[in-house]
Order: sequence, then C-alpha cells, then structure tokens
Amino acid sequence: QLQLQESGPGLVKPSETLSLTCTVSGGSVSRNSYYWGWMRQPPGKGLEWIGHISYGGSTYYNPSLKSRATVFVDTAKNQFSLRLSPVTAADTAVYYCVRLIMTGTNFDPWGQGTLVTVSS
Amino acid sequence: EIVLTQSPATLSLSPGERATLSCRASQSVSSYLAWYQQKPGQAPRLLIYDASNRATGIPARFSGSGSGTDFTLTISSLEPEDFAVYYCQQRSNSITFGQGTRLEIK
Repeated sequence: QLQLQESGPGLVKPSETLSLTCTVSGGSVSRNSYYWGWMRQPPGKGLEWIGHISYGGSTYYNPSLKSRATVFVDTAKNQFSLRLSPVTAADTAVYYCVRLIMTGTNFDPWGQGTLVTVSS
Repeated sequence: EIVLTQSPATLSLSPGERATLSCRASQSVSSYLAWYQQKPGQAPRLLIYDASNRATGIPARFSGSGSGTDFTLTISSLEPEDFAVYYCQQRSNSITFGQGTRLEIK
C-alpha cells in the first residue's frame, strides 16, 4: 500500500526558504502514470494547490505563488520535495504531499500533513 | 481561474438522514471533479473522483453526480462518522478547491 510522509522544519523565519520532503513507501516515484504534488491548508481555512511534478521532470505550479515554489524529485531516494521562497506569515499552513493521477481527479493517497509556521 | 462554489456552507442533519451537497463551477470542468472528506486534524480523504467514481474503500452510501458546471455529493443515510467538512476540487483548468461545506449533527 502506497504511503506518503512529509518531513521538514516546523518553523521558518520570514524571507527565508521553506523546504519540505515527501518520502514515498510501498511504491515508486518513477512510475509514469502519476504526478507527485503538494497542497496546503492555512489554519482554519480551505485547501490550496501548490504544484506537482512528473517522473520525467515536467512541473506545474499555482500562478498565485508567483514563481516562489519549486518541486523536484529524487528517484534514488524515492522522494520528492518542495521549496518555497521567500516566505511570509501568509505561508503558515499544514502542507500535504499527494500522488496525482496523470489524467483525471484521482488524487490519492495524501500524507498526514506537516504544520509549518512562518515567524521570527 | 475556475472558481468552485459549494452550498450550503453548513448543513445540519441527524444520523440516518440523507445529505445533499452542491458544488457549482464558474465554467465547465467536464467530469474533472472530485469530492473529499476532512475531519479535524486529519488529511483530506478522497471520496469521489471524476464526478461519480467512488474511491477505493469508500462506502456505497456516498455517491457523486453531475457534469459541466453542477455537481452533487449525496450521502444516502448519514452515519455518525460522516459529520465532517467536505470539499470539491476540479482539475479541468489548473487545480482549485471549493470553500467547503460543514456537515454537522443536528
């Protein structure tokens, strides 16, 4: 059974870089049928798509993030990662990694999520 | 950007009742619509994908319908564990989510 697990710092200073990694177990990031992506949810608010990447390296990002986000994959470690820079308090959220099917809306599974707080 | 509008914002029902949740898109998303359930402190759980397909392990009391701009999630007979927040999400043009419907116990 495929499982995803986020990891990374829980506290980031304003203007610095948020870096998170998603470790994939029970499956491979090298499968061509899927994208690997990131979503986030500010405390008490709704869900927002950040971006996703294919095994071949094609990337897609939410335009609202204005090029601050980068998603990349490490096939050797069976992981994919998110970098968001520079951050502000508005980037405080629970960040989720998720597998996206290439065609359609079958986005599953999701990681359990990790809270990142942006504060000095 | 395609805007998804969910209604109602809050739905108050009793166990055993039927729940009908709506999601309307600002332009056609064909059948590229999914529904999620989220409980406090948990990740969203995929219920329905491509408008009407139940995800793996989802009970038959959950069903999805619609295409184009109007979609419905129906829970035929509410169980105590169904009270949660529900989100719709489209993937026709970029990826966006609705603002959520809170299903609470009456």
